[in-house]
This record gives sequence, C-alpha cells and structure tokens, in this order.
Amino acid sequence: QVTLKESGPGMLQPSQTLSLTCTFSGTSLSTSNMGLSWLRQPSGKGLEWLASIWNNDNYYNPSLRSRLTISKETSKNQVLLKFTSMEPADTATYYCACGYYFDYWGQGVMVTVSS
Amino acid sequence: DIQMTQSPASLSASLEEIVTITCQASQDIGNWLAWYQQKPGKSPQLLIYDATSLADGVPSRFSGSRSGTQYSLKISRLQVEDIGSYYCQQAHSNPYTFGAGTKLELK
Repeated sequence: QVTLKESGPGMLQPSQTLSLTCTFSGTSLSTSNMGLSWLRQPSGKGLEWLASIWNNDNYYNPSLRSRLTISKETSKNQVLLKFTSMEPADTATYYCACGYYFDYWGQGVMVTVSS
Repeated sequence: DIQMTQSPASLSASLEEIVTITCQASQDIGNWLAWYQQKPGKSPQLLIYDATSLADGVPSRFSGSRSGTQYSLKISRLQVEDIGSYYCQQAHSNPYTFGAGTKLELK
C-alpha cells in the first residue's frame, strides 16, 4: 500500500522560501514508472502541477521554474520541494503524488502566505 | 501549453442517472489523459488513465472514452458517493495541465 504525507509550515510571510517534505512508503523512487510530483490547489480552485522527479531527472512547470527546486533523500524515502519568493497568490493546499500519472496522493498541507 | 477545456463547469443530476463530462484538448495528446475525482475536503483520486483504463478499485460504472482530441468521462448510474468535483489532466507534455473541473451535485 502506497502512502504519502506532506509536511511543512502552515504559514509564512511574503518573500520567504517554502520548504515542503513528502514522506512516502510502499514504493521506491528507483521503481520504474514511479515518479513523485508536487501539485497545488488554491481553496475552491483547480489543480496546478509544479514539479516532478523521475529516476534522476527533475521536471518543472516552466511558469514557476525559476522559483522551484525539487530534490530527493532516497535513504529517508523523502522528496523535498523548495519554493522561493512566496507571495499571497501562492496560498494553497500543496500535495505530493506519485505514479506514472498521479496515481496516489497525500492528504495535502495547507500553506498560507500572509504578512 | 496544452489547454484542457472541460465542460460543464457544474452539473446537477439524479441518482441512477447517466452523467457525462467532457474535456477538449487544444492539440493532439493521444491517449495521455487521466480523470480524477475529488470529494469535498479530500485529495483527488485517480479514476481513469490512458484515456480509457480504469484505475484499481474504481467501480465499473465509471468509463472513459476518446474521439480525436475530445475525451469523456461517463458515470453510468450516478450514486451518492459520486458527488464531488472531477478533473481531466493531460500527461502528454510539460507542463502537465488540468481542466478547470466539473462540480457534480445531486438534484
């Protein structure tokens, strides 16, 4: 059974850097077709893909590329996301998901950007 | 970016009714399409992948189809537990984009 759980600060101030961690079990990043991705969803709105890590390759949404860094800590079964220059428009629930599509999802972590 | 135009934005249907949601891709994406269900306050769940394949554990009343660049999700007999929002997503090209969603309610 694949499980994922996101963790991170609930609130941060504008211009700060968001650091999120996805801790997963029941799968491995070395498994073929097992990418791990970050997505977000502002309250009451739609879904936006942010970044994915597949094997040793990283992929980013070009519209946010300059602000995002995805990385992995294989020994800890974790994938990390750093998101710089946060602003109120980045307030959302952030999800990690894995699979060839987004087969499995974490419960999400709500992040509020406010002064 | 590939645009996914999803319709309708909202839908009210009765129990046991047939429900159809569509997504139009702005360019050819082949079968690289998934459908997700999101219940209120919950994370999205994969329903359909590769346009027509049912994800594990998904009831057989859900089905996906494709006609050119138009994709459809069909619920053959609406149940109470099907209430929520539905999203299509293209997995053909970066950035992987979603439709704006369809909110399904009970009539």
